[in-house]
Amino acid sequence: EAGVAQSPRYKIIEKRQSVAFWCNPISGHATLYWYQQILGQGPKLLIQFQNNGVVDDSQLPKDRFSAERLKGVDSTLKIQPAKLEDSAVYLCASSPNYEQYFGPGTRLTVT
Amino acid sequence: AQSVAQPEDQVNVAEGNPLTVKCTYSVSGNPYLFWYVQYPNRGLQFLLKYITGDNLVKGSYGFEAEFNKSQTSFHLKKPSALVSDSALYFCAVRDPNSGYALNFGKGTSLLVTP
Repeated sequence: EAGVAQSPRYKIIEKRQSVAFWCNPISGHATLYWYQQILGQGPKLLIQFQNNGVVDDSQLPKDRFSAERLKGVDSTLKIQPAKLEDSAVYLCASSPNYEQYFGPGTRLTVT
Repeated sequence: AQSVAQPEDQVNVAEGNPLTVKCTYSVSGNPYLFWYVQYPNRGLQFLLKYITGDNLVKGSYGFEAEFNKSQTSFHLKKPSALVSDSALYFCAVRDPNSGYALNFGKGTSLLVTP
């Protein structure tokens, strides 16, 4: 079974630029999550989708972050404009039930 | 809010010795608890979970965890550590108030020396 795919794996941008991350979940998993993991901390939920609907986006900084999940499969997370404090690893996870399966993450560096 | 705490930033253990990585939780209702491991430049990998049933949960790679309701703990254990177990370990609790997403602890770095 193929795992959760994410791209790109690494991205370096300057502050105020925009960036987008892509996630392809495991086939058949209805629930998709985006987490932000800042160095030295545990992952923090940004947004959760159930199929193509948003379940929870209470911790998503909506003035600069946006996310969508078209057709209930792939998802993109966008940051515009980026700030220095957005430097982190962005993890995508999908879940059929209790367990969440994580992708390798995208490491974002904002300079 | 549902939360977990990992009191140790780092745990050092010699290869072949037993290891314990500590986790305590604070939840309302019945907890759904998880352990994940993260190797450098890789995503989190699921180790084990406690939903209900036996307090001793067995997981991947020889790891196990003991759910202790009176002490609100869910410590990760392994009888004999391997150098390859060196990694970052995260305890997490499923939060029914947040769409059942996971609330993670800050992580504990495990270093197993030969």
